[in-house]
Amino acid sequence: EVQLLESGGGLVQPGGSLRLSCAASGFSFRSYAMSWVRQAPGKGLEWVSSLSDSSGSTYYADSVKGRFTISRDNSKNTLDLQMNSLRAEDTAVYYCSKGVGGTTFAKYAFDMWGQGTLVAVSS
Amino acid sequence: QTVVTQEPSFSVSPGGTVTLTCGLSSGSVSTSNYPSWYQQTPGQAPRTLIYSTNTRSSGVPDRFSGSILGNKAALTITGAQADDESDYYCVLHMGSGIWVFGGGTKLTVL
Repeated sequence: EVQLLESGGGLVQPGGSLRLSCAASGFSFRSYAMSWVRQAPGKGLEWVSSLSDSSGSTYYADSVKGRFTISRDNSKNTLDLQMNSLRAEDTAVYYCSKGVGGTTFAKYAFDMWGQGTLVAVSS
Repeated sequence: QTVVTQEPSFSVSPGGTVTLTCGLSSGSVSTSNYPSWYQQTPGQAPRTLIYSTNTRSSGVPDRFSGSILGNKAALTITGAQADDESDYYCVLHMGSGIWVFGGGTKLTVL
């Protein structure tokens, strides 16, 4: 059974940093692209960032580019999101998601999801 | 900036069929956008229904289907059930690894 377990969320002041982690199990982690998707309270889903299976390619939404860094450790089956210079508008539940596999950009589509971790940016 | 459009709300009768759409504020949706569809109930993580236009995710019943209808992606639910009452989101690949979600459709079954 595929399991994705996010951790690292919490309350942080504007301008602060936080590092989210996602522990994956139940599938060949190194073979799949991974992504982060967030959802602000009462709002819709927003794609944040994606990373290829080999870490060779990274992609970011304009809203987080230059502030967030996605990374993975295929030996530990973990996906991370380093978030710097946090803003109030970054407040959201952050979901880790497994890609669908394949060889084109289609592989980054979101297949399985974790339960999410809440990040609150407030003074 | 291109916006992904969805109907804000829709209603369907139990047992009925409903088609939700996913469009672009400028241009047409094609299979190259790899349209995907997600179901979400309040307080829960999203559940993947369809990816790459028409591929059902594991465990999704075949009464959920995806397609391209005209210039939009479409999610069709046949034989609607009470527990289909949820928010439905589509997402499109806009090129160069960038994905954009629609604003979601709130589906009511009544």
